[in-house]
Amino acid sequence: DVKVTQSSRYLVKRTGEKVFLECVQDMDHENMFWYRQDPGLGLRLIYFSYDVKMKEKGDIPEGYSVSREKKERFSLILESASTNQTSMYLCASSSQLWGKDASSYEQYFGPGTRLTVT
Amino acid sequence: GENVEQHPSTLSVQEGDSAVIKCTYSDSASNYFPWYKQELGKRPQLIIDIRSNVGEKKDQRIAVTLNKTAKHFSLHITETQPEDSAVYFCAATGAGNMLTFGGGTRLMVKP
Repeated sequence: DVKVTQSSRYLVKRTGEKVFLECVQDMDHENMFWYRQDPGLGLRLIYFSYDVKMKEKGDIPEGYSVSREKKERFSLILESASTNQTSMYLCASSSQLWGKDASSYEQYFGPGTRLTVT
Repeated sequence: GENVEQHPSTLSVQEGDSAVIKCTYSDSASNYFPWYKQELGKRPQLIIDIRSNVGEKKDQRIAVTLNKTAKHFSLHITETQPEDSAVYFCAATGAGNMLTFGGGTRLMVKP
């Protein structure tokens, strides 16, 4: 069973604080993702990484950065938290992005971190 | 980039009835269309997916249909049960094979 864990289920931070959200997967997956989930907006991709130290911007990268120093760990960083970053943050991992075997495209999600910025 | 629209945003059905959720996408190059189910307080999980070279796929009570010409795909759940109550997300691949998700449908199955 693929297991994706996130460092916190709930987090409350103050405006201007630096926030670290960590994600760890145990299936040796190449790809890891950070999404933000807001009601009515679905899941929006913030950043993804396809290899150690490699990262690509998603649809909403502004105000966020990421770090992937080890294959199993992908961190999301809010350099200076703002109230509009209050949201549910979901991490995910997958084996492949391309290829004939669509079953390897499946993204496995972590339990989420509900971040409140006051 | 890819844009995925999902309807309806909420859907209430009686237990045993069928439920249909529809999605449209904008990128004609999209070739992979998964559906994820998120139960209350839990993480999203893949329930079914379809590739662009297939028109329909079934797995027990759930099925997905794809119309590439019209750029829309649908999730069909038959004989709904209370445990089907959840938020369902459709998605389509866009640039770089990244998934773009729809806004979600909250399905409520009344016993």
